Amino acid sequence: NAGVTQTPKFRVLKTGQSMTLLCAQDMNHEYMYWYRQDPGMGLRLIHYSVGEGTTAKGEVPDGYNVSRLKKQNFLLGLESAAPSQTSVYFCASSYASASGSHEQYFGPGTRLTVT
Amino acid sequence: EDKVVQSPLSLVVHEGDTVTLNCSYEVTNFRSLLWYKQEKKAPTFLFMLTSSGIEKKSGRLSSILDKKELFSILNITATQTGDSAVYLCAVFNTNAGKSTFGDGTTLTVKP
Repeated sequence: NAGVTQTPKFRVLKTGQSMTLLCAQDMNHEYMYWYRQDPGMGLRLIHYSVGEGTTAKGEVPDGYNVSRLKKQNFLLGLESAAPSQTSVYFCASSYASASGSHEQYFGPGTRLTVT
Repeated sequence: EDKVVQSPLSLVVHEGDTVTLNCSYEVTNFRSLLWYKQEKKAPTFLFMLTSSGIEKKSGRLSSILDKKELFSILNITATQTGDSAVYLCAVFNTNAGKSTFGDGTTLTVKP
């Protein structure tokens, strides 16, 4: 099993450009999440999905859009990149175990720089 | 809005010391509290404590959840340089289907 994979691993964008980050998981997890992590800070939730075809806003959704057309994939889009979106982006997935645990499995991250 | 506060923000100790990391939370529809370790890459899972769990142990690490006072602590005994990392606390809101993370505690263990 590959677990959670993210592409690309690195990207440099100019202000105003657009891009899509792809997250894929092969664990058949229902839940998927996109976070951003800025230096010295924890993970801030951008958008998330509790199942195929559903998405919801997290703490910092502005400037981002997402889609979950297939259960295994969760896409994060930036329509018009801004320097404030320079960050490391992590994707994660989880499932509801019998104990109620939602242990999250994280991808390796995407380092995005917007100049 | 769900909230998780971790303290201290950073900590420097020497090998062999014992450390205690704190996590307090405010969350509606609490389901579980989770601890993660992050070493310059993606976070990895350490512990999960639910409304029915109080203390978890794994080698030199242990964690306690106080449901009444709404906090958890992570203890690391006999610290090693390999314990140097950011430790993240998260709480899961079962109705919303999402976790809220604290800002983390950066632990540095010196030889």
